[in-house]
Amino acid sequence: NAGVTQTPKFQVLKTGQSMTLQCAQDMNHEYMSWYRQDPGMGLRLIHYSVGAGITDQGEVPNGYNVSRSTTEDFPLRLLSAAPSQTSVYFCASSETDRDYEQYFGPGTRLTVT
Amino acid sequence: DAKTTQPNSMESNEEEPVHLPCNHSTISGTDYIHWYRQLPSQGPEYVIHGLTSNVNNRMASLAIAEDRKSSTLILHRATLRDAAVYYCILRDGGYSGAGSYQLTFGKGTKLSVIP
Repeated sequence: NAGVTQTPKFQVLKTGQSMTLQCAQDMNHEYMSWYRQDPGMGLRLIHYSVGAGITDQGEVPNGYNVSRSTTEDFPLRLLSAAPSQTSVYFCASSETDRDYEQYFGPGTRLTVT
Repeated sequence: DAKTTQPNSMESNEEEPVHLPCNHSTISGTDYIHWYRQLPSQGPEYVIHGLTSNVNNRMASLAIAEDRKSSTLILHRATLRDAAVYYCILRDGGYSGAGSYQLTFGKGTKLSVIP
C-alpha cells in the first residue's frame, strides 16, 4: 500500500489565487481529514469526512472547501489564497472516525505571497 | 477536550532510555491517552495509546499513573531516528456523533538524541 499520498509537496501562490491540494489513500479508509501546521505549533483540524459524500468543518475551516466524491480522494480547495494560509498541510485517514490510529501523509508546504 | 501539559524540549543520549512526561490533571473517565510523534519534515505517526493499564508495543511503552492524571511515554533505547516532536493527546472514548473523535494536537515535546 502507498498509504496516504499528497500532492504537490511544495507550492507557492500569489494572494487571491486558488488551488487544490490533493490527498488520496489506498487503504479503503472511511475517515479522512485535513490539518494545517503553522511554525512551532501543533496541528489544527480544517475539515474532515466520515465517508463519501459526507464532510464537516473542523477548528479552522474558513477559506477552505472540501468534497468527498470517492472513498479514496479528499481534495482541499483554497478559494482565494491569503498570506495567513501559509502553512504545512497534512491529510490523514483512518478506518473509521473512532479508530485509534490515524495515518498521515507527508504534507504539502504552501507559501502565499 | 481535556488539556495536556508537556515539557517543550528534552535531550537524551543515544542508546539510553527516555521518559517523556505528560500531565493531564483534568482527564475524564472516558478519555484515552494517545501519543503521536512527528519526525522532521514528516507527518505525525501513531506511537501508542491506553486508557488505564500500562501498554507496550514494538515502538514504546506507556505508563499511566494510578489516578490517570499523568502518563509517561518510555522509549527503551533511544536512537537517532527517535529525534522528533512527541505529542500527548487525550481523546474522548465516549462517542457523541460523527467527527467527535478528533485529535487535538498541542505543541508537544521536542526530543533531541545526542550521539
